[in-house]
Amino acid sequence: GAGVSQTPSNKVTEKGKYVELRCDPISGHTALYWYRQSLGQGPEFLIYFQGTGAADDSGLPNDRFFAVRPEGSVSTLKIQRTERGDSAVYLCASSSTGAPYEQYFGPGTRLTVT
Amino acid sequence: AQKITQTQPGMFVQEKEAVTLDCTYDTSDPSYGLFWYKQPSSGEMIFLIYQGSYDQQNATEGRYSLNFQKARKSANLVISASQLGDSAMYFCAMREEQGGSEKLVFGKGMKLTVNP
Repeated sequence: GAGVSQTPSNKVTEKGKYVELRCDPISGHTALYWYRQSLGQGPEFLIYFQGTGAADDSGLPNDRFFAVRPEGSVSTLKIQRTERGDSAVYLCASSSTGAPYEQYFGPGTRLTVT
Repeated sequence: AQKITQTQPGMFVQEKEAVTLDCTYDTSDPSYGLFWYKQPSSGEMIFLIYQGSYDQQNATEGRYSLNFQKARKSANLVISASQLGDSAMYFCAMREEQGGSEKLVFGKGMKLTVNP
């Protein structure tokens, strides 16, 4: 079946602009996660949705970052007033409930803020 | 405090040999899960293996096995019979199950190179 998809695969934007990154999880997966991976680092948690609601947004770095999942499937990560430090690969993952809890990752969106 | 520690920045192994990738973790949660992911140069994170904190036996998945030593808080990944396609970044991650958060906390990763 289809895996997690993310669009766009690459996004270049100017400092101060607004961007939206989209994630389409595996069909039927109720849990959806956003991570950010900077060069040479492991993925860093941003936010976790269970269904439509954000169950844990403790990883969002500041109020410029916001994510939604209005119908419990596709999610959009929104970044306002982008800064050069936001440049990273943004990874989305989804999982079903119950053990063994593995998260299936998408290919990521590489965001470059110039 | 760092929750997941991967101290080997890089390793080299000859094709067909076994290799062990180290991972230590820190948690006070009695219930947790440990994961290994592979990230080839294409960038996608590929799930390899999972070990639950209460699992009595070490997890195995094909050529991958997890050497889980709970008292030492280590969860080393063993890859048997290395293949050229195993060359990639490898990340150890932990999921703490108290508090309701499902997030994974990742280590910094280590780069494995398999030589022919």
